[in-house]
Amino acid sequence: AQKITQTQPGMFVQEKEAVTLDCTYDTSDPSYGLFWYKQPSSGEMIFLIYQGSYDQQNATEGRYSLNFQKARKSANLVISASQLGDSAMYFCAMRDWELTGGGNKLTFGTGTQLKVEL
Amino acid sequence: EAQVTQNPRYLITVTGKKLTVTCSQNMNHEYMSWYRQDPGLGLRQIYYSMNVEVTDKGDVPEGYKVSRKEKRNFPLILESPSPNQTSLYFCASAVESSYEQYFGPGTRLTVT
Repeated sequence: AQKITQTQPGMFVQEKEAVTLDCTYDTSDPSYGLFWYKQPSSGEMIFLIYQGSYDQQNATEGRYSLNFQKARKSANLVISASQLGDSAMYFCAMRDWELTGGGNKLTFGTGTQLKVEL
Repeated sequence: EAQVTQNPRYLITVTGKKLTVTCSQNMNHEYMSWYRQDPGLGLRQIYYSMNVEVTDKGDVPEGYKVSRKEKRNFPLILESPSPNQTSLYFCASAVESSYEQYFGPGTRLTVT
């Protein structure tokens, strides 16, 4: 069964600093995708970044990058130059492409609450 | 605009009073899912649908029903809500060929 582990319930970072949010995953299937979502206090789920298991390069989207270490089964999110608006809950998730059914099911971690301070 | 809509956004109800949370998408997606989010547990899949009239259980289906009579709609039904169903609910839709998932804005349900 797939599993996502986020070991940091909460983190603080100073504005303009970089921060890394940890995510490890477990799956026996060779084909999978890893996602990061941001959930601000308003509650909506905002897609940030995606990494496929066969992608050779680490994904980047603006200030977000995904540090994908396949051998370690980790998919850490790096946010550069933190802003006050980055304060939110962040979820790591995985989709197992080999899974039959599931309707594109995402398996989520428990989340990391990030607080950006002045 | 491509979107997933949910109604209501907020609902407070009492134990045992049947309710339905609607979900609709305008992207002609085959796949639709319901998730619930609870503190310390992340999001967990309740039910999913791979197309019209095709639905199946996710990880936490107890106490919920769904139907998929039209491609665009996937309502979540709580026949007899209980306080342990107090949660934040998300509907999502997707196509198989793409990794993208589109989430609705969420429905915050409180059962007293």
